[in-house]
Amino acid sequence: AQSVTQLGSHVSVSEGALVLLRCNYSSSVPPYLFWYVQYPNQGLQLLLKYTTGATLVKGINGFEAEFKKSETSFHLTKPSAHMSDAAEYFCAVTLSPVRPTSGTYKYIFGTGTRLKVLA
Amino acid sequence: NAGVTQTPKFQVLKTGQSMTLQCAQDMNHEYMSWYRQDPGMGLRLIHYSVGAGITDQGEVPNGYNVSRSTTEDFPLRLLSAAPSQTSVYFCASSCHTSGSETQYFGPGTRLLVL
Repeated sequence: AQSVTQLGSHVSVSEGALVLLRCNYSSSVPPYLFWYVQYPNQGLQLLLKYTTGATLVKGINGFEAEFKKSETSFHLTKPSAHMSDAAEYFCAVTLSPVRPTSGTYKYIFGTGTRLKVLA
Repeated sequence: NAGVTQTPKFQVLKTGQSMTLQCAQDMNHEYMSWYRQDPGMGLRLIHYSVGAGITDQGEVPNGYNVSRSTTEDFPLRLLSAAPSQTSVYFCASSCHTSGSETQYFGPGTRLLVL
């Protein structure tokens, strides 16, 4: 079964400092991995995703993540935090089949990490 | 495209009442799902559908029903609301051709059950 673990429900960084949000996954087959961001009172929007190919993935707003199979990790980073990055971030995993049949295809989300950026 | 739309945005129910949360998408996506979001628990999958006429249960299906009669619509029904169903509900859709697995989320429905 797939699962996602996000370490740290709350992370605080100073403006301009490195952002590191941790995500570890469990999957018996090659996974597709995602990071979503949620601003207050809004739905989720995609930051970046890994499907196949290059393991370092770049997303919007200067974020990037690296898929490390040996560590079963997909940590999210940004070199310099901005006040506007304050939000909740979710890691998600799903299996990679095309044209899935019922029962074999679903997304699993982590419990989220709330990022606070200090002035 | 309007994307994924949800109605209502906010609803208050009394225990035992029933209601339907509406979800529609205009992107011709095959896959649709319902999640609930509760503090400290992230998003939990309630039900999902991989196409019209096909639905399946997620992690927390009890107390909820779904149907998928068309590609566009995926309503979520609460048969007899309970205070434990107080939550924010999100609908999402995606298209599962290779490279297009991103889920698109609606703005959410905030439900309070008294």
